[in-house]
Amino acid sequence: DQQVKQNSPSLSVQEGRISILNCDYTNSMFDYFLWYKKYPAEGPTFLISISSIKDKNEDGRFTVFLNKSAKHLSLHIVPSQPGDSAVYFCAARAGTNAGKSTFGDGTTLTVKP
Amino acid sequence: GAVVSQHPSRVICKSGTSVKIECRSLDFQATTMFWYRQFPKQSLMLMATSNEGSKATYEQGVEKDKFLINHASLTLSTLTVTSAHPEDSSFYICSANSLNTEAFFGQGTRLTVV
Repeated sequence: DQQVKQNSPSLSVQEGRISILNCDYTNSMFDYFLWYKKYPAEGPTFLISISSIKDKNEDGRFTVFLNKSAKHLSLHIVPSQPGDSAVYFCAARAGTNAGKSTFGDGTTLTVKP
Repeated sequence: GAVVSQHPSRVICKSGTSVKIECRSLDFQATTMFWYRQFPKQSLMLMATSNEGSKATYEQGVEKDKFLINHASLTLSTLTVTSAHPEDSSFYICSANSLNTEAFFGQGTRLTVV
């Protein structure tokens, strides 16, 4: 049973427009959620996170929204840039151990110039 | 920010040989390191949790005799793929964190067994 799901394997948007990446989870024990960005043949890099006590966290062009009742979170990138093209992983964890996260399958974002 | 270095980035080995992958935390002491595996177009799959000075904890379905993990110091963990076979070909990634910090990932190692 996959506890973190990213139902869209790919997303294509035009430069300057908004990119919205979605993630759903099933485990009610998850209390911290993260988004990672990954380029081919590289390790993921941390992008932004949100604690379950919040419903929004913003960092520059990136905003993560959390809807606990729906067990859903989303990453908004605005405006999207070609350099944002990468695979985005949603991850969730329960407790304070940062490394032991459960990852979704990833969404490949392509931002077209 | 903190850096985790993984080496080698790419390795090709013959079937039946063993391969060692190193994961180092360069500017912090990692109390815990994690080893992940990624198949093409699939998510990162946690293989094991490596704690300094103690035995690694393996996830269900991961053969501990196949994937040997040693966490000899607070800055180094190694993953040895023993008697590698073509089905072990994959992208292996480590991550490390100290208490109450985010996990930082290494660059990954592309293993190809021929």
